[in-house]
Amino acid sequence: QQQVKQSPQSLIVQKGGISIINCAYENTAFDYFPWYQQFPGKGPALLIAIRPDVSEKKEGRFTISFNKSAKQFSLHIMDSQPGDSATYFCAASVQTGANNLFFGTGTRLTVIP
Amino acid sequence: DGGITQSPKYLFRKEGQNVTLSCEQNLNHDAMYWYRQDPGQGLRLIYYSQIVNDFQKGDIAEGYSVSREKKESFPLTVTSAQKNPTAFYLCASRFWDTEAFFGQGTRLTVV
Repeated sequence: QQQVKQSPQSLIVQKGGISIINCAYENTAFDYFPWYQQFPGKGPALLIAIRPDVSEKKEGRFTISFNKSAKQFSLHIMDSQPGDSATYFCAASVQTGANNLFFGTGTRLTVIP
Repeated sequence: DGGITQSPKYLFRKEGQNVTLSCEQNLNHDAMYWYRQDPGQGLRLIYYSQIVNDFQKGDIAEGYSVSREKKESFPLTVTSAQKNPTAFYLCASRFWDTEAFFGQGTRLTVV
């Protein structure tokens, strides 16, 4: 059973456009929601993360929007660039206990010049 | 400099062979994790360890084994019981509920 559901599976965006990736979860105990970026043949690296006490977090061109009541969160990439072409994973974890990170299935983003 | 190191980068396994993937970290993290990555399936948890000499099975532990004799090291053995081991394996470490750091991965291929 997938703890975190991610969509779309792939996304093609024109340079300068907005890329939007969505995730949904069921476990209301989750309280840490990171996004990871992965380039081919490399390990994922943290892009941005949010906790449920805020509804939005922005770092440069990357923004997380969080809707606690809907149990959804999304990544927005503004002014998308070809260098943003990568696979993006959302994840969720609980602060206490095993602290396992549960990952979505990933979104392959391609930004066309 | 601090980080998490996986070796080798590429590994080839013959049928019926056990192989061991190395994962070392110098971040002083207590928790370490092994994930398997297959196309279209995201990252699936194989094993994790919160402290030395203790580890738990993840979602897909069958055919794999681990040890945690030192805080810095968390090797993964892919045994002959794992019938479809070809995949990209990722090791990660984490300090409680903060950022997880990943290694660069090991690509295992059955020949």
